Amino acid sequence: GAVVSQHPSRVICKSGTSVKIECRSLDFQATTMFWYRQFPKQSLMLMATSNEGSKATYEQGVEKDKFLINHASLTLSTLTVTSAHPEDSSFYICSASNNQLNYGYTFGSGTRLTVV
Amino acid sequence: DAKTTQPTSMDCAEGRAANLPCNHSTISGNEYVYWYRQIHSQGPQYIIHGLKNNETNEMASLIITEDRKSSTLILPHATLRDTAVYYCIVRGGNNDMRFGAGTRLTVKP
Repeated sequence: GAVVSQHPSRVICKSGTSVKIECRSLDFQATTMFWYRQFPKQSLMLMATSNEGSKATYEQGVEKDKFLINHASLTLSTLTVTSAHPEDSSFYICSASNNQLNYGYTFGSGTRLTVV
Repeated sequence: DAKTTQPTSMDCAEGRAANLPCNHSTISGNEYVYWYRQIHSQGPQYIIHGLKNNETNEMASLIITEDRKSSTLILPHATLRDTAVYYCIVRGGNNDMRFGAGTRLTVKP
């Protein structure tokens, strides 16, 4: 089945630094990748949608200059949290799709970011 | 995308069937119903999806009403490892997948 690898699984960084999270589709071409954020005891919140080779589309309220998304190939998307603050601490999850409606999205295992 | 409504929480006895309902009364003709679950601190896991017909796989069954305004996910023999948050999602032409609050299922011994 389709596998999405997300790395790192956990990261701790200092305030003001940047952190990059990678999302790779291992056995299929992901024309679209999605990034979610999840705070404790809450549901997943869609942050942005990225299509290979084009700029990401951000949800309302998500700062595109703070959460940089790059989807340079059909198997890799990256999310960079720039100038991280403690309030950016969260669980970040990616998912990938080959854009067929009758084909589910596959999710990564998530990245627990802690900003100290 | 159509909104979905699910109960906040449900309990189920181990070994019994767990029936998780979902209302999606504004669903459109080309929108699929997807079910995912999330175990604590993990990414969501795909369970099953359907358009009109009932579906069954090794994990669960999906019953969709004839008018498609609601569906039920059935875990035939729940185990303790099925304790998770279950999300019912309607996915359509704009291709994104937005999560509601889901149902927290607790399987009890």
